[in-house]
Amino acid sequence: GAGVSQSPRYKVAKRGQDVALRCDPISGHVSLFWYQQALGQGPEFLTYFQNEAQLDKSGLPSDRFFAERPEGSVSTLKIQRTQQEDSAVYLCASSRRSQGTEAFFGQGTRLTVV
Amino acid sequence: AQKVTQAQTEISVVEKEDVTLDCVYETRDTTYYLFWYKQPPSGELVFLIRRNSFDEQNEISGRYSWNFQKSTSSFNFTITASQVVDSAVYFCALSEATTQGGSEKLVFGKGTKLTVNP
Repeated sequence: GAGVSQSPRYKVAKRGQDVALRCDPISGHVSLFWYQQALGQGPEFLTYFQNEAQLDKSGLPSDRFFAERPEGSVSTLKIQRTQQEDSAVYLCASSRRSQGTEAFFGQGTRLTVV
Repeated sequence: AQKVTQAQTEISVVEKEDVTLDCVYETRDTTYYLFWYKQPPSGELVFLIRRNSFDEQNEISGRYSWNFQKSTSSFNFTITASQVVDSAVYFCALSEATTQGGSEKLVFGKGTKLTVNP
């Protein structure tokens, strides 16, 4: 597709439930990022993939968060045993693999944990 | 450690006014990149500009202009003759050349909410 596509757009989960968020990057983009954006805040880095390799997961807040990109295109962010503090917008971005290039963002998935 | 500060939380102007959004950054790297993104109510971050640390030339694109000053670690953004459609949250961001795994991850400020009233 023309842009980064994320699904679902909205997700309501009961506390303790597992969720999976999907990201379809721009075709041919090697780099893929996940960010978490709390209400009224700037996005915060979670993890980075170069093709299928997860090269940086320093921003994942706990071991309940897991991301994968098995074939180097679509990525899934999984959150196990969701907690209320996980409520946020999860943004996916992709970019070409060259230094300092701009990242293109999807519209995000708004996760609400009740 | 890298940090981006946008001191202005909210700004409200009347259409056709000029407005400047401030951005101050901190980094230990000599090579880095600075960005501005716009986030309209739909939620998608829209790329506006990228500058590298070696290019301090100011840039103008239509009604938008950017003032990069390494001496004060600032990268300010000015909208001339603002329009209602400019209403959005604007984020300044920093990417360092040397990051874990070469991730080029962005560090964002908290954003400035701009409201342009008719």
